[in-house]
Amino acid sequence: SQTIHQWPATLVQPVGSPLSLECTVEGTSNPNLYWYRQAAGRGLQLLFYSVGIGQISSEVPQNLSASRPQDRQFILSSKKLLLSDSGFYLCAWSFGSTDTQYFGPGTRLTVL
Amino acid sequence: KQEVTQIPAALSVPEGENLVLNCSFTDSAIYNLQWFRQDPGKGLTSLLLIQSSQREQTSGRLNASLDKSSGRSTLYIAASQPGDSATYLCAVSSGYSTLTFGKGTMLLVSP
Repeated sequence: SQTIHQWPATLVQPVGSPLSLECTVEGTSNPNLYWYRQAAGRGLQLLFYSVGIGQISSEVPQNLSASRPQDRQFILSSKKLLLSDSGFYLCAWSFGSTDTQYFGPGTRLTVL
Repeated sequence: KQEVTQIPAALSVPEGENLVLNCSFTDSAIYNLQWFRQDPGKGLTSLLLIQSSQREQTSGRLNASLDKSSGRSTLYIAASQPGDSATYLCAVSSGYSTLTFGKGTMLLVSP
């Protein structure tokens, strides 16, 4: 069976500091991978998706970047965090582009 | 641009009631529609996926319907239980690898 991991579970960072969130998937090969953000009072917003190693698509312009160094690893990064980067970050995977997406447990990021 | 709306935003019912959650979307050109459940502080759990060619899907006490032409979906929960308390999210797939989510309906089932 497939499992998806995210870490850390919670993170408190000062404004201007760097960020690295990691997501890994086990039990499948060549999954589609996604990063979402859920901010208070707003719906889930797709940030990035990847259909293969080194292939990243960005949905919205922002202070964040994503990388996929390995088939089942997806990393969300920032060089300098903003207050507006606070939120709940969710990683997800799917077999195909129109298949069910399976979500990880999330990372709660607070930028102070 | 696809927009997804969920009504009501919150719902409180006593245990045992049947209930309906509503989802509407603005662009009927979708691949599929999915219903998710989210417990506080947790990730999302997929409940049901309806392909654009389907009218409904059932899983246990849950039944989801899709009327693509009118841009509507409903999630029916039969014989609600306190364990059903969570936020229910509707999402539509209308492009390659993209899901557009509603803001959710927060459900509280009291014993």
